[in-house]
Amino acid sequence: DTAVSQTPKYLVTQMGNDKSIKCEQNLGHDTMYWYKQDSKKFLKIMFSYNNKELIINETVPNRFSPKSPDKAHLNLHINSLELGDSAVYFCASSLRQGINEKLFFGSGTQLSVL
Amino acid sequence: QKEVEQNSGPLSVPEGAIASLNCTYSDRGSQSFFWYRQYSGKSPELIMSIYSNGDKEDGRFTAQLNKASQYVSLLIRDSQPSDSATYLCASLQGDGNKLVFGAGTILRVKS
Repeated sequence: DTAVSQTPKYLVTQMGNDKSIKCEQNLGHDTMYWYKQDSKKFLKIMFSYNNKELIINETVPNRFSPKSPDKAHLNLHINSLELGDSAVYFCASSLRQGINEKLFFGSGTQLSVL
Repeated sequence: QKEVEQNSGPLSVPEGAIASLNCTYSDRGSQSFFWYRQYSGKSPELIMSIYSNGDKEDGRFTAQLNKASQYVSLLIRDSQPSDSATYLCASLQGDGNKLVFGAGTILRVKS
């Protein structure tokens, strides 16, 4: 059983298109995240939801919109894709927010914008 | 968001040696620190966490924390080729809401 699963694994698309990445966790965790890892491997938080409520919204363009229909799902929709959006996007979850909570990562979505 | 700094490497060590990975952080309020390992093309996985000054050992891994110097390190004893990966240091910031990662250090263990 995959703990944190995200789809698709690869996404190749043209500039200007709109695309979505889906994420689901079956761990019963309260908190979910989206991280972006660029070509230099720098892993940066984008959003965090705790029990469907938005907790963290880093300086991310409005073209990126997360949606959490329930605490087991956190999807990421991207409008008007740009070349600079090319990266690996990781979904993650933790039992709760807080001091010693381990993050469980999905396998990543490699987004290539042409 | 405050910074977490790591030397990008690569750090090359011979098999059986001790690999020493270092990290500094700028947020004096951070209380919790983590080391994640990421193999090429894979997702990060947690290998160590540390919250108090001093050393914490788990098998071949030892994490060290010095809050006064704002310094975290990871020692890997008896390094194996399978330890070759990128090691990401992270600190918990923003009232415990946000895990901030460094850019990672590439470790290569040569057999």
